[in-house]
Amino acid sequence: GAVVSQHPSWVICKSGTSVKIECRSLDFQATTMFWYRQFPKQSLMLMATSNEGSKATYEQGVEKDKFLINHASLTLSTLTVTSAHPEDSSFYICSARDQAGNPYEQYFGPGTRLTVT
Amino acid sequence: GQNIDQPTEMTATEGAIVQINCTYQTSGFNGLFWYQQHAGEAPTFLSYNVLDGLEEKGRFSSFLSRSKGYSYLLLKELQMKDSASYLCAVQTDSWGKLQFGAGTQVVVTP
Repeated sequence: GAVVSQHPSWVICKSGTSVKIECRSLDFQATTMFWYRQFPKQSLMLMATSNEGSKATYEQGVEKDKFLINHASLTLSTLTVTSAHPEDSSFYICSARDQAGNPYEQYFGPGTRLTVT
Repeated sequence: GQNIDQPTEMTATEGAIVQINCTYQTSGFNGLFWYQQHAGEAPTFLSYNVLDGLEEKGRFSSFLSRSKGYSYLLLKELQMKDSASYLCAVQTDSWGKLQFGAGTQVVVTP
């Protein structure tokens, strides 16, 4: 089946630094990827839609200058949390759609746990 | 606004049946999904409904009524490993954007 990987699986960083999270589709091409954030005991909140070769579309309330998204190829999207603060500590999950597969199916990565100290 | 409501928690015994209801009001509708999520892990796909009616997949079934904005997930022959959070999600556009409910924590007891 389709596999999506994320790297790193967990990261601890100091307040004020930037962190980059990678999302890769391993065996399919994804023109569209999605980034979600999940706080403890809460549901997934969509942050942005990442489209290959174009600018990401951010959801209301998500700062595009703080959460930089780059979808440079059909198999890779990156999320950079700039000037991270403790309130950015969360579980970040990406998902990807197989452009050649079922149009409704999304495949989720295993998530990246970010802790900002 | 957009609302997707589901109960916070449900408890059932091993071997029993549990039904998780989900009601939704969204600006767009392109299908309804159910996912299972264990703590600290990514969601895994369970089912997808875009037309009214029941979809059955082994021990799991999902029902949709678009006119009522209502869906349910039925888990039969519960097993201990079914203890997890179950997320109802609506795809709100043709690109695949998903709006998630808060999740229902199912606790299966011996």
